[in-house]
Amino acid sequence: KQEVTQIPAALSVPEGENLVLNCSFTDSAIYNLQWFRQDPGKGLTSLLLIQSSQREQTSGRLNASLDKSSGRSTLYIAASQPGDSATYLCAVRASGTYKYIFGTGTRLKVLA
Amino acid sequence: ETGVTQTPRHLVMGMTNKKSLKCEQHLGHNAMYWYKQSAKKPLELMFVYSLEERVENNSVPSRFSPECPNSSHLFLHLHTLQPEDSALYLCASSQIRGGEQYFGPGTRLTVT
Repeated sequence: KQEVTQIPAALSVPEGENLVLNCSFTDSAIYNLQWFRQDPGKGLTSLLLIQSSQREQTSGRLNASLDKSSGRSTLYIAASQPGDSATYLCAVRASGTYKYIFGTGTRLKVLA
Repeated sequence: ETGVTQTPRHLVMGMTNKKSLKCEQHLGHNAMYWYKQSAKKPLELMFVYSLEERVENNSVPSRFSPECPNSSHLFLHLHTLQPEDSALYLCASSQIRGGEQYFGPGTRLTVT
């Protein structure tokens, strides 16, 4: 059974820091992995999608990597800003299914 | 309207009521999803529709009944709910292949 874990659960950093959020999964047979952000009481905003054949994806200050063999993905945020404060979620889609398994998220606070 | 919309945004219902949640996507996608988000728990996939056919039913109680009349609309019919069903209900859509999910803003449901 696929399990997705995100560490740390919460993170507080000063503005301008580069930071790394971690996502690990137990079954390497995945179709893709997606990173989202969620603001309080709101829906999820897609940040990056990595297909199982890819190693990384970049969008602006965000870079996500995928290592299927070790069951890990990292989200790198460069030069963090107060507007980056949100909960970050990763989700894994299992191969051959439509089933997405979400982690519990990392709650990020960037201090001005 | 763009993206994924959900109505109503907030709903309070008694345990004996019947209500429906509506989701509409304007992205030309062919798969739609219902998720439940409860406090302190990971996002839980409830149902998946692909080309208007239900392809995943994640052991959801029968008091939740989904309906997908076409590729743009998804409903969740609710009846005789329990207080523990209070949660944020999120709708998402994607292309079946590739599978980047886009989420709506959610319906905050309170069962009294």
